[in-house]
Amino acid sequence: AQTVTQSQPEMSVQEAETVTLSCTYDTSESDYYLFWYKQPPSRQMILVIRQEAYKQQNATENRFSVNFQKAAKSFSLKISDSQLGDAAMYFCALNNAGNMLTFGGGTRLMVKP
Amino acid sequence: NAGVTQTPKFRVLKTGQSMTLLCAQDMNHEYMYWYRQDPGMGLRLIHYSVGEGTTAKGEVPDGYNVSRLKKQNFLLGLESAAPSQTSVYFCASSYGNVIGRGNTGELFFGEGSRLTVL
Repeated sequence: AQTVTQSQPEMSVQEAETVTLSCTYDTSESDYYLFWYKQPPSRQMILVIRQEAYKQQNATENRFSVNFQKAAKSFSLKISDSQLGDAAMYFCALNNAGNMLTFGGGTRLMVKP
Repeated sequence: NAGVTQTPKFRVLKTGQSMTLLCAQDMNHEYMYWYRQDPGMGLRLIHYSVGEGTTAKGEVPDGYNVSRLKKQNFLLGLESAAPSQTSVYFCASSYGNVIGRGNTGELFFGEGSRLTVL
């Protein structure tokens, strides 16, 4: 069985500042994908960023980047230059080769103007 | 682009009533999933399907049934609704289990269906 843990139920950040959301996971697979999804109040699940486990280079998407530590099974999300529109629930997720996505419990991010 | 569409978006049921949630995808995806989302627990997999005519149990299958008669549709049924099934339900789809060839393992989600059981 695979598990995903997000230890921060809530985080807050000042607009234009940087925030890091934590995620740890456990899996026996060697080949897998990791994701961060954003869920705004509209409820829509929006893919923020993905990381292939076999790639050592950390993924980046504009203001969003990850710190992927495979040995430590850690996958944190860094949001730079935070904007009011970044306020949402963020879910870390793990997808093994069988395409089953396991989610963490989520982190609610608040952005202060 | 429709993507993944769920109906209905909202529903209120009385205990013991039955209902069906419909999910439709227009991306020709092989895999389809039903998740439920509860506060503080993220999304948990109820049932999934790896192709037309197939279904399998996920993490929390009790009290639900599913059917995948057509590749593009995945139905979630509640035969006798209980208050514990009050939740937001998400349908999702993906290419399949072959990573590569355009399949990055990403799931594509519908907008969710809020179900309240009184």
